[in-house]
Amino acid sequence: GQNIDQPTEMTATEGAIVQINCTYQTSGFNGLFWYQQHAGEAPTFLSYNVLDGLEEKGRFSSFLSRSKGYSYLLLKELQMKDSASYLCAGVDSNYQLIWGAGTKLIIKP
Amino acid sequence: GAVVSQHPSWVICKSGTSVKIECRSLDFQATTMFWYRQFPKQSLMLMATSNEGSKATYEQGVEKDKFLINHASLTLSTLTVTSAHPEDSSFYICSARERDYEQYFGPGTRLTVT
Repeated sequence: GQNIDQPTEMTATEGAIVQINCTYQTSGFNGLFWYQQHAGEAPTFLSYNVLDGLEEKGRFSSFLSRSKGYSYLLLKELQMKDSASYLCAGVDSNYQLIWGAGTKLIIKP
Repeated sequence: GAVVSQHPSWVICKSGTSVKIECRSLDFQATTMFWYRQFPKQSLMLMATSNEGSKATYEQGVEKDKFLINHASLTLSTLTVTSAHPEDSSFYICSARERDYEQYFGPGTRLTVT
């Protein structure tokens, strides 16, 4: 079966760094997305990785290891507004998104 | 960037009535549109995938006669919740895809059935 695993909840301190991990099992693989979702709002795109390695985009970076079926989202210089759920989604061989349950990130002052 | 709109943003209806939600891609042609439902503190649940001009493909467990989807043009898809019941109360989100894999999400519609 297809499955996306990510922690349910994480807590971090304002100004610090946090890494949200995601492991995936999909039928075929055509990349992995990270989305941010604030409560009551629709998800917004953060990153898309299809090749191994780290992609940096401002304070956010995303890493992919296809051999390990593993990705992480790295958030630096955390701000209070980063408190949100972070959704990991794998793209299967039919180009359908397989969604994780999301990681709720709580930022404390 | 690509923009997807949804209307209405929120709606309250009485049990037994039908509600139509519109999803529009404003600056691109969406060959495929997706409809999701999200209950509080849960992840997105794909309800159906629709391609322009053809019937929607529903996920297992989603009643096609209850959730009517029409994708009449490359910029518009509609979801009609027929004979709504309180358990249909949820956050409904559409997304649209042009050619590549990324889905652009609408802002969502919060449905409350009383």
